[in-house]
Amino acid sequence: QKEVEQNSGPLSVPEGAIASLNCTYSDRVSQSFFWYRQYSGKSPELIMSIYSNGDKEDGRFTAQLNKASQYVSLLIRDSQPSDSATYLCAVGGTGNQFYFGTGTSLTVIP
Amino acid sequence: KAGVTQTPRYLIKTRGQQVTLSCSPISGHRSVSWYQQTPGQGLQFLFEYFSETQRNKGNFPGRFSGRQFSNSRSEMNVSTLELGDSALYLCASSLVFPGISNTEAFFGQGTRLTVV
Repeated sequence: QKEVEQNSGPLSVPEGAIASLNCTYSDRVSQSFFWYRQYSGKSPELIMSIYSNGDKEDGRFTAQLNKASQYVSLLIRDSQPSDSATYLCAVGGTGNQFYFGTGTSLTVIP
Repeated sequence: KAGVTQTPRYLIKTRGQQVTLSCSPISGHRSVSWYQQTPGQGLQFLFEYFSETQRNKGNFPGRFSGRQFSNSRSEMNVSTLELGDSALYLCASSLVFPGISNTEAFFGQGTRLTVV
């Protein structure tokens, strides 16, 4: 069973700060990684995917991948109250099967 | 562009009954995956269908089954419902490219199943 670990939080940051969300995974051969945001009572929404070591930026979001350390992170710059949600890390398996962490709850305080 | 559509949104069933959930993927997406989400276990993979064939299967009992039609729409069925089957059932659709695994998956709104 592939393991995906996330700190469940809750993580609280003030509005305008940088929120840092972390994820580690157990399968060394994993090649694809995804971050999803899930608001309470809603379904997961894809934020971004990352496949190569290094940083990938999309607006206020930056995903960072370090395959040697089996670590992937998501930075949210200029955090807004609307960013308050649970953030799910997903790691690709065979086909389009994903393994999900249990999520980190983020609260952005106005 | 329409997103992933799941029906029904809510269901209440009695133990021992069976239930069928439906998922229509994004147009052009031929891979459909199903997940169960519960507060205690998070998102757990049920199965994936591509070209009307089950390509992957998670660790769920045989009471959970699915199928995919030629138009890529998918259904999942749960027979002999148990209280523990109460969960949010999510469908995700993905594009498929030859030789490439794990393309981005987009989720539907889910079906909230309550077993009483």
